[in-house]
This record gives sequence, structure tokens and C-alpha cells, in this order.
Amino acid sequence: AQSVTQLGSHVSVSEGALVLLRCNYSSSVPPYLFWYVQYPNQGLQLLLKYTTGATLVKGINGFEAEFKKSETSFHLTKPSAHMSDAAEYFCAVTSYSSASKIIFGSGTRLSIRP
Amino acid sequence: NAGVTQTPKFQVLKTGQSMTLQCAQDMNHNSMYWYRQDPGMGLRLIYYSASEGTTDKGEVPNGYNVSRLNKREFSLRLESAAPSQTSVYFCASIQGLGTYGYTFGSGTRLTVV
Repeated sequence: AQSVTQLGSHVSVSEGALVLLRCNYSSSVPPYLFWYVQYPNQGLQLLLKYTTGATLVKGINGFEAEFKKSETSFHLTKPSAHMSDAAEYFCAVTSYSSASKIIFGSGTRLSIRP
Repeated sequence: NAGVTQTPKFQVLKTGQSMTLQCAQDMNHNSMYWYRQDPGMGLRLIYYSASEGTTDKGEVPNGYNVSRLNKREFSLRLESAAPSQTSVYFCASIQGLGTYGYTFGSGTRLTVV
């Protein structure tokens, strides 16, 4: 079985500060990992994904994430927060063997202070 | 714009009423999904359809039924709504294996009173 744990249901940073959203996963097979963003009253948008290959993955809006197998982590970062980054972020996991079902974490709400 | 369209966007039901949530995608995707989103619980899979003509239960199927009407459309039916089904429902689709991530609809906010 696969699972995802997002540490911190709410993270608040100042505009211009580093954004770090934490995600740890559990998977008995090589994982495929995703970060999604949800703006208020909207559906989810894919930010970035890791399947195979390079462990540092770059996504939209300046976000990136690094797959660390030894730490079973896939943390999301952005060097400088912008007010428009305020949203809810979801980490998700699947694998080739269960690639039709993606398991989502409980989400982290990111607030940006002026 | 291509994507996933859900109707209605908002709905209020009385306990015991029935309704169908509609979902259509125009990206020629094979697989379609219904999730519910509740505060602090992320998204939980209700049902999915890996291809036209097939449906399978997800994590929380009780109280729901689905129909994959054709390749484009995947509906979710609540036969007898309960307050516990108050939630935001998302439809999603993917092409082939899930390694490319889902495309989501904008959601249906359902309240059961």
C-alpha cells in the first residue's frame, strides 16, 4: 500500500521568503510523485511530477522538488514567495503497478504575509 | 478550452433525495475518476473508470454509484443523500497510465441538509 504524509496543515511565510512544503511517502515499489496546487474555489493543477530520471524536478511558477529515496521525501520549494502563491498544495503518489490510482496527502495551506 | 467540465457547480439536497453529478472531458482520455474533498482529509477516491465500459470502487464508494456513459462522460449518482456526503466533488481524467497526472474539473460543492 502507498501513503503520503504532508507535514504541517498550514504554512505561513513572508513575501520574498523561501517556501518549503514537506512531503514524505511510503511505497514498496518505485514511486511516481506529484505536487498539485489548488486555488480557492478551483480544481487541482499539476505543479510538477517525478517519475524516473533526474531527482530534481522543476515545475511551473518557479517551484521545484527533489526526490530523495533515502529519506522517502519529495519536498516542494520556491526560493522567493509571491502573494499569488497563496493556495493549498497537495502531494500525491502512485506507481507503475497502480498507476491508475493516485493517493493524495491531506494538503498544506500556504499563506503569504505582505 | 479543452478540459474537464462538471455540472452543477453548487447543489443543496435534503436528506434522502437523489441526484446525479455530471462530468465530461474533451481530451479523449481513457480513464476518469471521482474524488471527494473534505477539510483535513485531502482527496479520497470514490470510483474510477480505467476505460469505457469498466468501473471500479475506490477508497470510499459506499452510498454512490457511477456510470461511464461513453468515453467522454462519467457520472456520479447519490441514490439517497446523507449529511455525511456533504463535500466538494471533483472529477478527473488521464490518458493512459497515471504517470502524467490528472486533469481536474472545477468541482461540485454539495451540501446535504
